[in-house]
Amino acid sequence: DAKTTQPNSMESNEEEPVHLPCNHSTISGTDYIHWYRQLPSQGPEYVIHGLTSNVNNRMASLAIAEDRKSSTLILHRATLRDAAVYYCILRDTNSGYALNFGKGTSLLVTP
Amino acid sequence: DAGITQSPRHKVTETGTPVTLRCHQTENHRYMYWYRQDPGHGLRLIHYSYGVKDTDKGEVSDGYSVSRSKTEDFLLTLESATSSQTSVYFCAIRSTATYEQYFGPGTRLTVT
Repeated sequence: DAKTTQPNSMESNEEEPVHLPCNHSTISGTDYIHWYRQLPSQGPEYVIHGLTSNVNNRMASLAIAEDRKSSTLILHRATLRDAAVYYCILRDTNSGYALNFGKGTSLLVTP
Repeated sequence: DAGITQSPRHKVTETGTPVTLRCHQTENHRYMYWYRQDPGHGLRLIHYSYGVKDTDKGEVSDGYSVSRSKTEDFLLTLESATSSQTSVYFCAIRSTATYEQYFGPGTRLTVT
């Protein structure tokens, strides 16, 4: 299965934009890129996903490199509530499209 | 919020005892998953189900069994609990239309 690489941790100031990077150099043409986040003591929650084009929703934006070997999750204005572990995941076409979680990036947001 | 609940939310049990965790959904989704999460790690897939009575193994299935007799319930059983199964267990559901997974609140299991 194609794997992803993310920094272990990042820090941001409140109300500033945050760019969370993800490398997936072995991505295949049919792999979708998913982002989930997990707030403390909660289950993961879906953030956004994409295949080739950049995507926007109410939570975030996803910028995908032209060669698809990397992507960036963009939080336009970080809040304290955005402090969480962010997971970049390539959707597994096996195992009923289960999610292959890595260790993710722990985002600290400071006032 | 997606209608997914887990029970119990916390459980302490002794080594060698059987334990069953329940995941219940009200969304009528076809796919259901059981993951475990250990400190400093992401979630790992234990078993999943793609329909009533249709289940398959995930990455860390040894020591676990599952059953799905109704669309809304997916049970995870530890036949003889071991200390290595101390973990937080998450259930998730997915519709075939969107691929987004929705997670339950988790069950914290401690095996002493």
